[in-house]
Amino acid sequence: QVQLVQSGSELKKPGASVKVSCKASGYTFTSYAMNWVRQAPGQGLEWMGWINTNTGNPTYAQGFTGRFVFSLDTSVSTAYLQISSLKAEDTAVYYCARCRRELLYRDAFDIWGQGTMVTVSS
Amino acid sequence: AIQLTQSPSSLSASVGDRVTITCRASQGISSALAWYQQKPGKAPKLLIYDASSLESGVPSRFSGSGSGTDFTLTISSLQPEDFATYYCQQFNNYPPTFGQGTRLEIK
Repeated sequence: QVQLVQSGSELKKPGASVKVSCKASGYTFTSYAMNWVRQAPGQGLEWMGWINTNTGNPTYAQGFTGRFVFSLDTSVSTAYLQISSLKAEDTAVYYCARCRRELLYRDAFDIWGQGTMVTVSS
Repeated sequence: AIQLTQSPSSLSASVGDRVTITCRASQGISSALAWYQQKPGKAPKLLIYDASSLESGVPSRFSGSGSGTDFTLTISSLQPEDFATYYCQQFNNYPPTFGQGTRLEIK
């Protein structure tokens, strides 16, 4: 079935880096845009940006430039989110989420990964 | 960025009740609105897209309506599994934005 499976929880110290993976299965990976969404503890959903899975071109929302990098490995149908110079305020659940329709990036998100908890603490 | 304001922020209701949640956009977004359900510790689940289209597999007691700036999500007869937090999201304008959420609790 169509699904996104993310890597497991991470505990990191401030200043470290983390790389979260999101493996797609059950559909043609390069046909659907992939988004990243952050949810801080007890808070709402915040869109971080998206990556064109056909070209690899990323687009970052305001507030997610510089330390955040989206990438792909299309050979294994996987998207990645890397965060560098981690801060305590990066503590959150990070979700990957697929756009519902092929080749659209302005769309609802129909398939979500299960989420990856990243905790930043000394 | 377009702001989405959901009301109420929280709501207590009983099994069998009819419930309506509203989402107001700070400017017109046509019908480019989605509704999600999120349960504790789980990923959001798409319920409604394009303001009124029911996602495959979602029970028909969920419905959406509206266009422009005012939208509603209605649950016709609450079931125990419907107690969750609901979010609206617009995707008409960049960047896509979410409402702050409506927590639906058991009365």
